[in-house]
Amino acid sequence: DIQMTQSPSSLSASVGDRVTITCRASQTIGSYLNWYQQKPGKAPKLLIYGASSLQSGVPSRFSGSGSGTDFTLTISSLQPEDFATYYCQQSYSTPQTFGQGTKLEIK
Amino acid sequence: EVQLVESGGGLVQPGGSLRLSCAASGFTFSSSYMHWVRQAPGKGLVWVSRIKSDGSSTSYADSVKGRFTISRDNAKNTLYLQMNSLRAEDTAVYYCTRDHKNGGGYSNTNDYWGQGTLVTVSS
Repeated sequence: DIQMTQSPSSLSASVGDRVTITCRASQTIGSYLNWYQQKPGKAPKLLIYGASSLQSGVPSRFSGSGSGTDFTLTISSLQPEDFATYYCQQSYSTPQTFGQGTKLEIK
Repeated sequence: EVQLVESGGGLVQPGGSLRLSCAASGFTFSSSYMHWVRQAPGKGLVWVSRIKSDGSSTSYADSVKGRFTISRDNAKNTLYLQMNSLRAEDTAVYYCTRDHKNGGGYSNTNDYWGQGTLVTVSS
């Protein structure tokens, strides 16, 4: 199975900050990398697919980049509703696997 | 509007069985691969199973292979997960998800999620 490792595991930031979360795959996965946002008590929501494509309805302050084994999710200007846990996920092979999550908290 | 609504969760003893359902609406269910993903309390997301749009092909995580069975009824727009020989480590919220790819094949990308149903395995 492909292992996905996110960093950091938690992050404190302020409204308006630019934030970057990284995700590393244990082997090359091309651009088969997705990002999800999960708020407490809610289901995850797809933000970015194919490493850099924005899911319909997702604000443009979210962006993704990377290929091969190293990927990033960037939030250009944090909004209050962005404080949540973020997961990367590889869709290159079965079983699909997720990172351990990055909890983004208010500073 | 795409909607996925899970049901069937609850408290079950170790070794017991439970069947989860996921009612789908707002899209052509019979054209979509579907998945189950679970999340233990306070933990991360783990993929459980996938089923082809016509139900003819399935795939499972090693941790549930031989104990869980995914199925679907396209006439009822409903996805199922039959869970047998349940263990404490199966305790989790179970989400059904729609595969992002339209019309043939699958992408292993989950574009819509249900609200989840909690399964608790405990004596």
